[in-house]
Amino acid sequence: ELKVEQNPLFLSMQEGKNYTIYCNYSTTSDRLYWYRQDPGKSLESLFVLLSNGAVKQEGRLMASLDTKARLSTLHITAAVHDLSATYFCAVVEDSGNTPLVFGKGTRLSVIA
Amino acid sequence: SAVISQKPSRDICQRGTSLTIQCQVDSQVTMMFWYRQQPGQSLTLIATANQGSEATYESGFVIDKFPISRPNLTFSTLTVSNMSPEDSSIYLCSATPGQDYYGYTFGSGTRLTVV
Repeated sequence: ELKVEQNPLFLSMQEGKNYTIYCNYSTTSDRLYWYRQDPGKSLESLFVLLSNGAVKQEGRLMASLDTKARLSTLHITAAVHDLSATYFCAVVEDSGNTPLVFGKGTRLSVIA
Repeated sequence: SAVISQKPSRDICQRGTSLTIQCQVDSQVTMMFWYRQQPGQSLTLIATANQGSEATYESGFVIDKFPISRPNLTFSTLTVSNMSPEDSSIYLCSATPGQDYYGYTFGSGTRLTVV
């Protein structure tokens, strides 16, 4: 059974600081997804990582994937208040049309 | 990527009644999925809905409680039956076109409160 673990689950950051969210998963997968969720809203797709060594960046967020270590990271650079949200990583178990399995999410709060 | 219209966006229902949630996709998709998100929690898969076949339910979810229809490649419904306060959650549908496209799109969610 595929399990996805995220840490930390809660993160309070000062504006301007850097931090990394980690996502580990338990079985072989070559696709990993990062989503953002604002309170009361649905999921917004941030990154889709499709291969080992994939790195994607958008603004202050950068995601990477190491399929051998079964690890993805979401790095936040110089945090700003607008980044406050819950971030989920999700994995599919194989290359078929299977459902996403989600981590528990990281609730990020950026404070002045 | 596909766009999903989900409705209702929210509802308050009496215990013992049923609510049907609809998801309409703007393009044909192979697979649709239904998730439940309890307050402050992650997403838990309820079932996978394939067009033309019975939905596949995850452990802890049964068809009598959560019947699903998937009459065509752009539409699906989830019914929450005989509701109790424990069913109060956000329900989300998701879709993927499959084949060589890797994106998973989500509906806007239905916030259900059972009183």
